[in-house]
Amino acid sequence: DVKVTQSSRYLVKRTGEKVFLECVQDMDHENMFWYRQDPGLGLRLIYFSYDVKMKEKGDIPEGYSVSREKKERFSLILESASTNQTSMYLCASSRRATPDTIYFGEGSWLTVV
Amino acid sequence: GNSVTQMEGPVTLSEEAFLTINCTYTATGYPSLFWYVQYPGEGLQLLLKATKADDKGSNKGFEATYRKETTSFHLEKGSVQVSDSAVYFCALSPGGGADGLTFGKGTHLIIQP
Repeated sequence: DVKVTQSSRYLVKRTGEKVFLECVQDMDHENMFWYRQDPGLGLRLIYFSYDVKMKEKGDIPEGYSVSREKKERFSLILESASTNQTSMYLCASSRRATPDTIYFGEGSWLTVV
Repeated sequence: GNSVTQMEGPVTLSEEAFLTINCTYTATGYPSLFWYVQYPGEGLQLLLKATKADDKGSNKGFEATYRKETTSFHLEKGSVQVSDSAVYFCALSPGGGADGLTFGKGTHLIIQP
């Protein structure tokens, strides 16, 4: 069965902390994505990656970075968390051959206090 | 740039009512169009998609037709059930999904017994 796993469902971090959100997919997908979801704003693309060590900025990359050292893992990093980064973060992946079939993880709720 | 506009929610209907959720888009070229559904506490699941004009996507009794002339992709279902209560997102991808999706803000659907 298809699976995108986000390591933490709920996190509470302090302002200024460095935060790592981890995502692993077991489908050998080339493409991976990070979105944030906010009420009234829908989902917005932060970063995506189409191969190991490759990354592309999405619509709202400011304040975030990513790492893709292995094909199955895509990490989102908040270098210095701020309260306006309190949000739901969704990871997704897809196969290069069928890029429009995208699988999402269950999401990580991050609260920055 | 690309954008998706969908009707504001929440939309509240009685069981067995007819459902329409409007979605219009702005994009260059001929994007692929999608409807995703998010049940409470879960990630997004692909509901249906259409990749070219006049295509009809369908799944679980839901349908949407890609209308290039009106740049629309309205979601319909003839008879809704309580289990259809969820948030529905319209989305597009100019590149077929490889560079991520642009989402609408989401429509919260509530079906009352």
